[in-house]
Amino acid sequence: DTEVTQTPKHLVMGMTNKKSLKCEQHMGHRAMYWYKQKAKKPPELMFVYSYEKLSINESVPSRFSPECPNSSLLNLHLHALQPEDSALYLCASSQARQGFYGYTFGSGTRLTVV
Amino acid sequence: AQKVTQAQTEISVVEKEDVTLDCVYETRDTTYYLFWYKQPPSGELVFLIRRNSFDEQNEISGRYSWNFQKSTSSFNFTITASQVVDSAVYFCALEGYQKVTFGTGTKLQVIP
Repeated sequence: DTEVTQTPKHLVMGMTNKKSLKCEQHMGHRAMYWYKQKAKKPPELMFVYSYEKLSINESVPSRFSPECPNSSLLNLHLHALQPEDSALYLCASSQARQGFYGYTFGSGTRLTVV
Repeated sequence: AQKVTQAQTEISVVEKEDVTLDCVYETRDTTYYLFWYKQPPSGELVFLIRRNSFDEQNEISGRYSWNFQKSTSSFNFTITASQVVDSAVYFCALEGYQKVTFGTGTKLQVIP
């Protein structure tokens, strides 16, 4: 299994809702990442988990809360989002924290905040 | 600080033409990795190639080839005999000791 699976593929949520994005990989990778990508822009790093511990938080607002329950799963909990948070959220994994082996990306969750 | 520049915002070619996507980078790290990713309209980022800073050998994979020149800090990507399925946004990325930096992407449209 050489995939990173993200669910849901599309999500529409109101500004008062609480929702979660899920990411799963079974490649034995020990680093997992959340990226945010606005239209026509490159991906921007949000969080890095290494061996299930948060190692980088790129000054992301607290309305985004990551969680790594085990080495295969990565969640992103969303609460009280703003319309400007609408974007494609990409999960990625790599063998180790610095992805010198390359990153495997999921197909993303397209989030719309209304 | 790291920087990746993809000066070509959009390129259109007719099918079967060759096309080169440019990537110029800046870094103070002595060890770093360069990547190319393809992002089709479906959204996922597809890994194409990784090259480390000590390996300046060019690489060919089917219709794809990469030219890494450390002297000019460039890592260019050529698609030979382009096909409609090559239409996508292509990102060049640099990873040093701290983080990955993506270029702004080049949108390639291959016209049948």
